[in-house]
Amino acid sequence: NAGVTQTPKFQVLKTGQSMTLQCAQDMNHEYMSWYRQDPGMGLRLIHYSVGAGITDQGEVPNGYNVSRSTTEDFPLRLLSAAPSQTSVYFCASSYDFSAHQPQHFGDGTRLSIL
Amino acid sequence: AQKITQTQPGMFVQEKEAVTLDCTYDTSDPSYGLFWYKQPSSGEMIFLIYQGSYDQQNATEGRYSLNFQKARKSANLVISASQLGDSAMYFCAMREGSGTGANNLFFGTGTRLTVIP
Repeated sequence: NAGVTQTPKFQVLKTGQSMTLQCAQDMNHEYMSWYRQDPGMGLRLIHYSVGAGITDQGEVPNGYNVSRSTTEDFPLRLLSAAPSQTSVYFCASSYDFSAHQPQHFGDGTRLSIL
Repeated sequence: AQKITQTQPGMFVQEKEAVTLDCTYDTSDPSYGLFWYKQPSSGEMIFLIYQGSYDQQNATEGRYSLNFQKARKSANLVISASQLGDSAMYFCAMREGSGTGANNLFFGTGTRLTVIP
């Protein structure tokens, strides 16, 4: 019963470094998304995908790239890390993009940029 | 305008008592879903309960119920018989039916609930 799996759980980067946050789901969900959570601001959408090969920007996409080559995987790439990207990152998935489908979340990745 | 508003940054409740966490929403879409999530101190986001805009009855899941007042655009979470393990951050969220085609999830800023023994 893995659900949504995110790796790594913790990461420290230096400014300017790049890295990829991994997200995989085993529920055959079509919709996947990435959020960042900052203190006092709830969760904000970075990028999302409604199916393999289809991605689009959310509310705060700058500095991040995504791709969706398979239904299962939706990695998030930080191109050149900045201190403003210090945050907790969540990947989520739902059966489809219906308004009535709950999204299920991974356990999060805590990222610090020095 | 904020799509989801949670006006209670923090709440306290005595163990075994009931507590209501407030949530109001803003949408002009007739089809939408309302969701509550729990985030304990360990950090994961746990889906608790869902209410659809066309549902005639309030949703219930065990000790959780959703007080849905459509005309007031409110979707308050009621937790009955509070337990120490209910201490956590609670987020209200909404998905609209006909947004950009992706029907993304909008979150409130959360309410931190503390259960007192």
